[in-house]
Amino acid sequence: DIQMTQSPSSLSASVGDRVTITCRASQSISNFLNWYQQKPGKAPKLLIYGASSLQSGVPSRFSGSGSRADFTLTINSLQPEDFATYYCQQSYSTPRTFGQGTKVEIK
Amino acid sequence: EVQLVESGGGLVQPGGSLRLSCTASGFTFRSYAMSWVRQAPGKGLEWVLGISGTGGNTYNADSVKGRFIISRDNSKDTLYLQMDSLRAEDTAIYYCAKDNGPTMVRGIAYFDFWGQGTPVTVSS
Repeated sequence: DIQMTQSPSSLSASVGDRVTITCRASQSISNFLNWYQQKPGKAPKLLIYGASSLQSGVPSRFSGSGSRADFTLTINSLQPEDFATYYCQQSYSTPRTFGQGTKVEIK
Repeated sequence: EVQLVESGGGLVQPGGSLRLSCTASGFTFRSYAMSWVRQAPGKGLEWVLGISGTGGNTYNADSVKGRFIISRDNSKDTLYLQMDSLRAEDTAIYYCAKDNGPTMVRGIAYFDFWGQGTPVTVSS
């Protein structure tokens, strides 16, 4: 199974900050990497697919980059509604493993 | 509008069984692979099973192998999860999720729609 490791596990940031979350795969997964946002008590929401493609309706302050085994989710100018937990997930093979999550909290 | 509505969750004793359903609407159900993803209390997301659009191919995580079965009835636009030999560690919110394509082969594949989840508690 492919292991996905996110860092950090949590972070504190202020509104307007630029936030970067990294995700590392245990092997090369090409660009088969997705990012999801989850708020408490809610289902996850797709943000980025194929490592860098923005899902329809997602604000442009979210961006993704990377390939092979190292990936990054960047949130430019953090907004109050962005405080949530973020997960990466690979689609290179089944099981479709997720990272452990990164909780973005208000500083 | 795409909608996924899970049902069937509840409290069950260890060793017991439960069947979850996910009723889909707003898209051509048979054209898309589907998955079950669970989340234990206070924990992260865990993909557990997937099924191709035709139902001809299924995939599972080792944690549920031999105990859980995924199936679908494309005539009813419904996805199922049969859970047997339940354990305390199966306690979680169970989400159904729609894939962006008909299969689960390697590629740019993602879960573009999710249900609201149904809770399963395994306890005596």
